[in-house]
Amino acid sequence: QSLLTQPPSVSGTPGQRVTISCSGSGSNIGSNTVNWYQQLPGTAPKLLIHSHNERPSGVPDRFSGSKSGTSASLAISGLQSDDEADYFCATWDDALNGVVFGGGTELTVL
Amino acid sequence: QVQLVQSGPEVKKPGASVKVSCEGSGYSFTNYDISWVRQAPGQGLEWMGWISGYKDKTSYSLKFQGRVTLTTDRSASTAYMELRSLRSDDTAVYYCARDLRYNDIFYGMDVWGQGTTVTVSS
Repeated sequence: QSLLTQPPSVSGTPGQRVTISCSGSGSNIGSNTVNWYQQLPGTAPKLLIHSHNERPSGVPDRFSGSKSGTSASLAISGLQSDDEADYFCATWDDALNGVVFGGGTELTVL
Repeated sequence: QVQLVQSGPEVKKPGASVKVSCEGSGYSFTNYDISWVRQAPGQGLEWMGWISGYKDKTSYSLKFQGRVTLTTDRSASTAYMELRSLRSDDTAVYYCARDLRYNDIFYGMDVWGQGTTVTVSS
């Protein structure tokens, strides 16, 4: 059971905007920065967002992050077929003194 | 380019140990910490621990404490993860990743190794 709760799956059509939620607690999301990862099938995760809403070089601005209290969200606009992947949120947990991940959300582009 | 290259797949029997290596290149190895993350088949990501790139400092997930040891060879820009007393549920892909950490604040993992498959089977 992950300390960060994500929906198991979301879906959208090409061009649409979708959001993926990540719910935590005061010891993790409430106190620390949130990062998001994209994992395409059979590949290593890729950092999409760090520090709530900062994108590493090369990540399109279609991807954006936000945080409010003990929850965070990843938004993907202008959905494309190659956005089909698993998405994970993560942050530091002060009580555990370690990194915690969400259970992951599978995005399907219909 | 900046990359982390891990050692090849391993097949181990229950009770054995495995040691996975992770060689960094294209950046100053001692300027960054390394985390280890595993992913069981069809499952999510699980953080195992991290090790400082420039000093002998480690932190382990409570789940793995006592069974995992993280080390580095700075002269070879290489990090190692050793997991002991292997069980069938340790079967997973093991990743190393470069930490973005400033002033003891964790911001994410920006470079990942390709992953090492460890299979535990009798």
